[in-house]
Amino acid sequence: NAGVTQTPKFQVLKTGQSMTLQCAQDMNHNSMYWYRQDPGMGLRLIYYSASEGTTDKGEVPNGYNVSRLNKREFSLRLESAAPSQTSVYFCATGGSYEQYFGPGTRLTVT
Amino acid sequence: GEDVEQSLFLSVREGDSSVINCTYTDSSSTYLYWYKQEPGAGLQLLTYIFSNMDMKQDQRLTVLLNKKDKHLSLRIADTQTGDSAIYFCAAGGSSGSARQLTFGSGTQLTVLP
Repeated sequence: NAGVTQTPKFQVLKTGQSMTLQCAQDMNHNSMYWYRQDPGMGLRLIYYSASEGTTDKGEVPNGYNVSRLNKREFSLRLESAAPSQTSVYFCATGGSYEQYFGPGTRLTVT
Repeated sequence: GEDVEQSLFLSVREGDSSVINCTYTDSSSTYLYWYKQEPGAGLQLLTYIFSNMDMKQDQRLTVLLNKKDKHLSLRIADTQTGDSAIYFCAAGGSSGSARQLTFGSGTQLTVLP
């Protein structure tokens, strides 16, 4: 029972490159979330998915797209990376009241 | 929207109690959470409290909620060096079946030997 897994753990991109961050959960939760964490700013919600087949924008969706592939998997895509997207990205799943987080992906855009 | 505020730093001696404070602005927040983040790791859920409760105790952790003042605190008894981490307060209501959380900026707790 791995909980929430994320790949890759680290990534360096050049400005303008694209990439997809992967998240998978084995907790059988309906809700999944993508956050970014920047120093001194806590976590900010990028996108979330209340259930398979639905996605909604969070607080900071610009520059990102998401896909809820099935109940287990929720991916985050950067189509044209910018230095402002340098951050640590966390995926989470939602239980009845709480959210459980993956270990994060540290992304640097140069 | 919801705004959650925390002090940035707290330093205590090993064996003392730590109290981390948090304020939130949305009185309709139904659930309030404390998460712990160790260096290089994700967020670990420590505990949560419903807005209709005043207090919740779980081993060394005590959460106090003053709903009138929209103030939440986390008390860690007998603080150990392993408690050194960043502690995040989060508030959330319900949005259909997906509960959106708003996080504070985190309090860096340093435990001195």
